[in-house]
Amino acid sequence: KNQVEQSPQSLIILEGKNCTLQCNYTVSPFSNLRWYKQDTGRGPVSLTIMTFSENTKSNGRYTATLDADTKQSSLHITASQLSDSASYICVPLTYGGSQGNLIFGKGTKLSVKP
Amino acid sequence: GAGVSQSPSNKVTEKGKDVELRCDPISGHTALYWYRQSLGQGLEFLIYFQGNSAPDKSGLPSDRFSAERTGGSVSTLTIQRTQQEDSAVYLCASSPGQESYGYTFGSGTRLTVV
Repeated sequence: KNQVEQSPQSLIILEGKNCTLQCNYTVSPFSNLRWYKQDTGRGPVSLTIMTFSENTKSNGRYTATLDADTKQSSLHITASQLSDSASYICVPLTYGGSQGNLIFGKGTKLSVKP
Repeated sequence: GAGVSQSPSNKVTEKGKDVELRCDPISGHTALYWYRQSLGQGLEFLIYFQGNSAPDKSGLPSDRFSAERTGGSVSTLTIQRTQQEDSAVYLCASSPGQESYGYTFGSGTRLTVV
């Protein structure tokens, strides 16, 4: 069964600090993995998309890693800002199946405090 | 349009009433998805349209839920005889095709059944 587990469920950090969010998945067959940021009251917005051959990918202060062998991914946020407060959702993509192929985690809710 | 547009942004309805939620996908996107997001939960797949193919309705929770997509563009999600447990944010997303990297979400419709 395709599943995604994210940790921690929620996280509070001070502005300027770094943090790392974790994602474990059991999705087969695996196509690629995405991290989304969802601000309160908004739809999710894509941060990164990683194929199985990519180990790390950066988008500004966001750096995602992927280990396709252990089926783990992480999202590292550097020098956090108040605007980083949001839910971060890990989404591995399968193919050839139903549901439009995206399997959504429940997300990590990040709160950045001044 | 420039993005995925959903309307209304907020809807409060009385239990037992029918509601219609609308999604305008990005022009040219052949794939359209509906999701439901309950408070504190991950995105729950509802239905998936791809071009002229029969939609994947495997995620619809009951026969009170239905969706259609006219002319391969605008989609309407209808909930009949609404129940309080239907209260959630309903998100629509579109992409240029299956397994596409151009997957974009709308801002959602927040439905409250009182």
